[in-house]
Order: sequence, then C-alpha cells, then structure tokens
Amino acid sequence: AQTVTQSQPEMSVQEAETVTLSCTYDTSESDYYLFWYKQPPSRQMILVIRQEAYKQQNATENRFSVNFQKAAKSFSLKISDSQLGDAAMYFCAYLRSGTYKYIFGTGTRLKVLA
Amino acid sequence: KAGVTQTPRYLIKTRGQQVTLSCSPISGHRSVSWYQQTPGQGLQFLFEYFSETQRNKGNFPGRFSGRQFSNSRSEMNVSTLELGDSALYLCASSLPGQSSYNEQFFGPGTRLTVL
Repeated sequence: AQTVTQSQPEMSVQEAETVTLSCTYDTSESDYYLFWYKQPPSRQMILVIRQEAYKQQNATENRFSVNFQKAAKSFSLKISDSQLGDAAMYFCAYLRSGTYKYIFGTGTRLKVLA
Repeated sequence: KAGVTQTPRYLIKTRGQQVTLSCSPISGHRSVSWYQQTPGQGLQFLFEYFSETQRNKGNFPGRFSGRQFSNSRSEMNVSTLELGDSALYLCASSLPGQSSYNEQFFGPGTRLTVL
C-alpha cells in the first residue's frame, strides 16, 4: 500500500527567509503524481504545486519549488522569501495515475515569524 | 464560478445518532471525493463518486456511506456515531477529463463534534 510521510509536525521560519518542508512516500508504481496542498486557518485547502513522476524537472510556482528525488522517494517543498500569508498547514499528497484516491501525509504546520 | 460548498459548517451530535453532510461541487464538476481530517492523522480518503457511482472507497467501516445525485451534489452519512468520528469532513470536486490527473478543489469542511 502506498504511504506518505511528513516527519516534521511543525516548522518555523523568519519572514523573508527560506524554509524546506519534507515529504517521503512509498510506492511500487512508476506512474503517479505528487502534490503539496496548503490549508490556511480558514480551512479551505488549495493546491500549491504538483509534480508528475515521469518529469525529471522539478516543478516551480513563483516562490514555491520542489525537490523531487524519485529514486529516494522524496518530495520536499521549498518556500523562498517567506511571507506571513504562508502560515498554514501543508500537506503532501500522492495520486497513482488513473485513480482518484489521493493519499495525504499528516501535515506540517508552518509558522512565519515577523 | 462559485466554489465547493458544504453544509452545515458545524454540527454537534451525541453518540449513537446519525448525521448527513452535504456537498455541492463546482458547477460542471462531476467527481466528488470525501475526506476525514483529524489531528495527527491528516486527511483520510473516504470515497469518491462520479456520475452517481462510487468508484473508489477508503478503509472506513460500513457506518460511513455516501451517494451522489444527478446534479453531482453529494451527501455522506454516518450512522451510529462514535466519539472517534469527531473530525473535519472535507469534500473535494474535480472535472474529470482526458488526463489521469484532475485538480481537486476543496470545500471549507464540516466540523462534526460527537459528544
């Protein structure tokens, strides 16, 4: 069975600094997608970034980028120039291609210090 | 376009009762998924519906059930509530297309408290 592990329950970062959130996953599949979702205190989850497993190039969305290491089954999220609005729960998620069953990690709470 | 809406937003029930939660997807979205979110457990997949058919199911007891209507609105029902069912229940909709990946859009959730 596929699993997603986020080993950092909580992280803190100073405003304008860079922080990296860790995620590892376990799967025997070769075709899948990985995601980072953000859940601000208002609770509406939004997609931050996604990565297709077949793509070697790491995905980037403005200040957000990932370090995808397929062989190591690692998928970390880097947030550059952290802003107060980045404070939220961040969830890493896995989706096997052709299915609709997302598997989420337990989340990392990010605090941004002014 | 209006986002995913869930009603009610908050609910308090007692053990043994049953509850029905509702989810209205984004207009045009035909896939609706449900998740249970608890502290320390993250989000756990309950089930997914498409065109009124349950396509995927998570590892939850039979007390958890759902359905989808012809207008894609979905309901989930929990019978014989237990204290451990207290959680935030999230609904997500997506627009199935050619690709095997379809972005999920989440609702604000229903906070269920079982006393």
